[in-house]
Amino acid sequence: KAGVTQTPRYLIKTRGQQVTLSCSPISGHRSVSWYQQTPGQGLQFLFEYFSETQRNKGNFPGRFSGRQFSNSRSEMNVSTLELGDSALYLCASSRVVGAPEAFFGQGTRLTVV
Amino acid sequence: AQSVAQPEDQVNVAEGNPLTVKCTYSVSGNPYLFWYVQYPNRGLQFLLKYITGDNLVKGSYGFEAEFNKSQTSFHLKKPSALVSDSALYFCAVRAPILTGGENKLTFGTGTQLKVEL
Repeated sequence: KAGVTQTPRYLIKTRGQQVTLSCSPISGHRSVSWYQQTPGQGLQFLFEYFSETQRNKGNFPGRFSGRQFSNSRSEMNVSTLELGDSALYLCASSRVVGAPEAFFGQGTRLTVV
Repeated sequence: AQSVAQPEDQVNVAEGNPLTVKCTYSVSGNPYLFWYVQYPNRGLQFLLKYITGDNLVKGSYGFEAEFNKSQTSFHLKKPSALVSDSALYFCAVRAPILTGGENKLTFGTGTQLKVEL
């Protein structure tokens, strides 16, 4: 069974640009969550999607957005990039909302210059 | 609000010795507790979980953790450490939705485990 797939693995963007990251969950999993990992703030919850609807949202500015498609694949978008957005962005896959277990992808390393 | 504390930034242990990585939590209701491991430039790899039942939970690669409700702790342990266990370890908590918990994983700040020969 394939795991959680995140693409791309690495990205370099310039301040002010926007970026889109992709996450394909484990087959049969319908809930996708996104987390940001930075050395200073650690792992922070961004949002969770289920059945193409955002079910929960963390404390991030509106520049961070996401969506989920009918096949459960999810994308997150960050607009007007800032240097502080440089981070490892992790996607987690669960069977349903509130399922106790979450399985993580390898992450996308975003560097903003 | 739910929270996790990992009081040690780094734990050093000699190969073959037992290791313990500490974790305490705060959450309303009965918690779901997890340990994840992260190797450099990689995602989080699931080690073990406590949902309900036996307080001693066994996981991958010989790791185990003990749930202690009175001390609100979930320490990660391994009887005999390996150099290959050197990595960053995260404890996480999630409260069941049915009990009004926050529908997200809350992580500790991580503990760097260094196992030396």
